[in-house]
Amino acid sequence: GESVGLHLPTLSVQEGDNSIINCAYSNSASDYFIWYKQESGKGPQFIIDIRSNMDKRQGQRVTVLLNKTVKHLSLQIAATQPGDSAVYFCAENPQTLTGGSYIPTFGRGTSLIVHP
Amino acid sequence: GAVVSQHPSRVICKSGTSVKIECRSLDFQATTMFWYRQFPKQSLMLMATSNEGSKATYEQGVEKDKFLINHASLTLSTLTVTSAHPEDSSFYICSARGSSVTYEQYFGPGTRLTVT
Repeated sequence: GESVGLHLPTLSVQEGDNSIINCAYSNSASDYFIWYKQESGKGPQFIIDIRSNMDKRQGQRVTVLLNKTVKHLSLQIAATQPGDSAVYFCAENPQTLTGGSYIPTFGRGTSLIVHP
Repeated sequence: GAVVSQHPSRVICKSGTSVKIECRSLDFQATTMFWYRQFPKQSLMLMATSNEGSKATYEQGVEKDKFLINHASLTLSTLTVTSAHPEDSSFYICSARGSSVTYEQYFGPGTRLTVT
C-alpha cells in the first residue's frame, strides 16, 4: 500500500453524489485486496474484496476496480450517504506466506466526508 | 458470526505502569491474530503476528520486550504494554483469522490507551 505514517487525504462529497476512493498498492504479486471502512474510534469493517484474477467486483452500492497494470485499486460508492462518512483503507495480501501467515499491508487511507 | 472483542475499550494509566489488552474471538477459533497500532489520522501499523501456541513475530522496529504478546489459546491473545510512557498512547487494534492460510481477517473494536 501507500506509505504509512502520512496524514490522510480527504474527499468531500455531497449526499447523493458518487464517491471514488483510490489506492495505489506496492506489490505486483499481491493476490487479494480488501477495502475496509473505519469509523471514528472503531475497528475497521470489511466492505468488499477482490482477487487478482478479477478486475471488477460489485456489492451493494459499492464497486471495486483493480488495475494490475498500474497497481491501482479504487472503491466506488454510489449515492453516498452521511453514514458513509469514515476513513477507508485498502489492504493488499501477498501470495506467499511469511512465518506461516499471509501478512496484509494497509494503504494510508482516505477520509470521506459526506455533506448533507 | 466472526466477532472479535477487545477489552478494555479505553484505558488510562500512569507512566511506568503496565497495561494488558485482551483480544478474543467470540464465535470462531483464531489460529492467527494480528496486533496493530494506529495514531490519529494515520493508517494501521502492524506490530506483530501471533499464531496460537507459538511466539509472536514482531515487525521491524517494534520492541518485543515492551510489547509482550501472548496467544495461549485459540480464542485469546493479549498485548501487554510494559513500563508505558506517554508516547505509547495510541489506538491498539487486534484482528483474527480462523486459519493462517486464509486472507480474511476480522477486526476488534480497538483499545484507546492514554498514558499520563
